[in-house]
Amino acid sequence: EAGVTQFPSHSVIEKGQTVTLRCDPISGHDNLYWYRRVMGKEIKFLLHFVKESKQDESGMPNNRFLAERTGGTYSTLKVQPAELEDSGVYFCASSQQGWRGNIQYFGAGTRLSVL
Amino acid sequence: QKEVEQDPGPLSVPEGAIVSLNCTYSNSAFQYFMWYRQYSRKGPELLMYTYSSGNKEDGRFTAQVDKSSKYISLFIRDSQPSDSATYLCAMSDDAGGTSYGKLTFGQGTILTVHP
Repeated sequence: EAGVTQFPSHSVIEKGQTVTLRCDPISGHDNLYWYRRVMGKEIKFLLHFVKESKQDESGMPNNRFLAERTGGTYSTLKVQPAELEDSGVYFCASSQQGWRGNIQYFGAGTRLSVL
Repeated sequence: QKEVEQDPGPLSVPEGAIVSLNCTYSNSAFQYFMWYRQYSRKGPELLMYTYSSGNKEDGRFTAQVDKSSKYISLFIRDSQPSDSATYLCAMSDDAGGTSYGKLTFGQGTILTVHP
């Protein structure tokens, strides 16, 4: 069974440009989470999808970030326009139906560098 | 104050040593406690999972949760060079209306086990 897949693995962009990150969850997993780790800080929650619906987007930093999960399968996270402080590693995780105490499986992350 | 505090280390031990990793937390609603292991350039991988208070053992790994003290621990016995990684504590609550399973992480402890 394939795990959570994220790409690109690394993206280097200039300030002001747009970047789109993609996450393919484990097949059949209803829940999809996005997290981010900024250098020197802990991994922080960004948002949570249940199938195609946004369940909780309380962690999204601002309106430059837009997440979608069309058809309840893969998800994209777009940053437009990117700022220097957006640099970090973006992780995606998925879990099965329901949410209480579900084990979340993580992808390898996308390392975003904004210059 | 952070919700979860974890000493980032780094921690360096000789092969065969017993390693103790700890996290403290402030949110009494946390019910699910996890330890993830992350190798360089990889995503977090679930190592141990505990619900509420108590101990759990899996091979060389033991996880302990003391909810009265808001303190969790991970012990690694007979540590091996292959255990060298970043260890992340993570937790979630049972309050469906506010969190839906999102994980709150500690900063992670970098562990090196040298031969």
